[in-house]
Amino acid sequence: AQSVSQHNHHVILSEAASLELGCNYSYGGTVNLFWYVQYPGQHLQLLLKYFSGDPLVKGIKGFEAEFIKSKFSFNLRKPSVQWSDTAEYFCAVNRYSGGGADGLTFGKGTHLIIQP
Amino acid sequence: EAGVAQSPRYKIIEKRQSVAFWCNPISGHATLYWYQQILGQGPKLLIQFQNNGVVDDSQLPKDRFSAERLKGVDSTLKIQPAKLEDSAVYLCASSLEAGVTEAFFGQGTRLTVV
Repeated sequence: AQSVSQHNHHVILSEAASLELGCNYSYGGTVNLFWYVQYPGQHLQLLLKYFSGDPLVKGIKGFEAEFIKSKFSFNLRKPSVQWSDTAEYFCAVNRYSGGGADGLTFGKGTHLIIQP
Repeated sequence: EAGVAQSPRYKIIEKRQSVAFWCNPISGHATLYWYQQILGQGPKLLIQFQNNGVVDDSQLPKDRFSAERLKGVDSTLKIQPAKLEDSAVYLCASSLEAGVTEAFFGQGTRLTVV
């Protein structure tokens, strides 16, 4: 069974610091990759996604992620975080074949706190 | 565009009781998912529908959980009888086309079993 590992469960940063959240997955076939964010009291929202093409993906709110196939990784980055980035971040993967894709497998999440 | 609607938002029941959750996906979305999110963990897929057919229910505890998607639109998830370990947030999500477009999530139903 596929699995997703997020390396940091809790991260505390100051405003303007750079952010990198690690994500590794365990499936060797064709995959789609996602980062979702959950702000306090809100539903899961898509930050960015990778289906194919350029492995450097840009998302909303200045976030980006790089797919490195040889390392089975899809790390999330942001050069300068803001207090409003305080949230729970989830990496997710699904497998894709010609017949479609299965449901998402999520990591355990990273709780990010940005201190003013 | 309206999002994925779920109800109720909160539910408290006693163990061994039954409970049902409802989901209305985004209009036109063929794929519908139910996830269970236990506190401190990421969401776990319970069941995936494509229109009104089940694609994957391998992680659904079928002795107590059931789900249906009549007419390929709304869906209900039922637990009967509930156990303490079923306390979680139940998330519904939908996508236009699985594997091609992303999934959109509802607010979820927070279930507490006492």
